Amino acid sequence: AQSVTQPDIHITVSEGASLELRCNYSYGATPYLFWYVQSPGQGLQLLLKYFSGDTLVQGIKGFEAEFKRSQSSFNLRKPSVHWSDAAEYFCAVGPNNAGNMLTFGGGTRLMVKP
Amino acid sequence: GAVVSQHPSWVICKSGTSVKIECRSLDFQATTMFWYRQFPKQSLMLMATSNEGSKATYEQGVEKDKFLINHASLTLSTLTVTSAHPEDSSFYICSAKPRTAYQPQHFGDGTRLSIL
Repeated sequence: AQSVTQPDIHITVSEGASLELRCNYSYGATPYLFWYVQSPGQGLQLLLKYFSGDTLVQGIKGFEAEFKRSQSSFNLRKPSVHWSDAAEYFCAVGPNNAGNMLTFGGGTRLMVKP
Repeated sequence: GAVVSQHPSWVICKSGTSVKIECRSLDFQATTMFWYRQFPKQSLMLMATSNEGSKATYEQGVEKDKFLINHASLTLSTLTVTSAHPEDSSFYICSAKPRTAYQPQHFGDGTRLSIL
């Protein structure tokens, strides 16, 4: 069975500092990996996705993620965090690149200090 | 970009009433729509998968008679919470998978359901 673990429930960073959100997955085949962001009371917005090819994926809003098969990880990074980045971030894995049947991690709540 | 509209965004109603939530793909056709439930400060839990023109597939532990799903067209799926009770209060989110191959799901903004 597939599963996704986000080890950090909460993370607080200062505005302008770099950010890394961790995501570890368990999947029996080639994983298709996603990062979503959710603002309070809102739905989910896709930040980026990995299907194949280059293991460093660029997304919207200055985010990137690196797929490391040997570590079963897909960590999300941003070099300089803005206050508007404060939100809940979800990593997800799916069985194909169309995103069917996504399994979500528990989420990481990001808080940004001024 | 692809837009999914979910309505209503917030509903409060008395225990015992039924509530219908709509999920529409506004600018694309969706062969599959998904319904998720999210408890406060928790992740999304898949409730069911609905394919246009066929019966929904429910995840284990989800009562299909309680949560009625209808996917009548390629742009509309509805979730009806029947005889709602306070324990059904939650945030419900739908997503839609475009008919076009290799496109990820697009999510609605969610519906906050509060049962008094």
